[in-house]
Amino acid sequence: AQTVTQSQPEMSVQEAETVTLSCTYDTSESNYYLFWYKQPPSRQMILVIRQEAYKQQNATENRFSVNFQKAAKSFSLKISDSQLGDTAMYFCAFMKWGSGNTPLVFGKGTRLSVIA
Amino acid sequence: SQTIHQWPATLVQPVGSPLSLECTVEGTSNPNLYWYRQAAGRGLQLLFYSVGIGQISSEVPQNLSASRPQDRQFILSSKKLLLSDSGFYLCAWSLETYNEQFFGPGTRLTVL
Repeated sequence: AQTVTQSQPEMSVQEAETVTLSCTYDTSESNYYLFWYKQPPSRQMILVIRQEAYKQQNATENRFSVNFQKAAKSFSLKISDSQLGDTAMYFCAFMKWGSGNTPLVFGKGTRLSVIA
Repeated sequence: SQTIHQWPATLVQPVGSPLSLECTVEGTSNPNLYWYRQAAGRGLQLLFYSVGIGQISSEVPQNLSASRPQDRQFILSSKKLLLSDSGFYLCAWSLETYNEQFFGPGTRLTVL
């Protein structure tokens, strides 16, 4: 079974600064996907970024980027130029490679507060 | 475009009462459907998933059940609620060709 661990229950960052959220996972699979989801106070789950395990290049989406270390089974999220709207719970998630019916395995989340 | 609906948005129920939460998806066919629960201070836990009508897979033993009476309808039920059933329930959908799940707005359930 796969597990996802987020070791930082809460973090804070000053507006316009950079913050990195940590995530580690455990799996025996060689091909898989990793995700970061954002859950703002509205509780709506929003996909932030996705990484395919077979890709060596780290994914980026505007101010969001990941540091994917496959051998170390590490998948951290970096948020640059933090904005007040980035305040949310952030969840790291794992999905096995294959058809789209594979459920997600989530970490317990990191609560990020962006301070003005 | 595809949309996913959940209702009710909030629900307060006494212990021992029945439960029915509904999730519907519009704008797509043959979606895979999922029920997750998010307890306070914890991550999302997969409860059930379905790859087709009448096909339900359960991930954890509990007093909840799920049904899929129609292609785009997924229902979460209980005959008798427990205090531990309180939480935020999220429905999600995906397609075989997508490596991504799309979430509904959720239902906040409080069992008193």
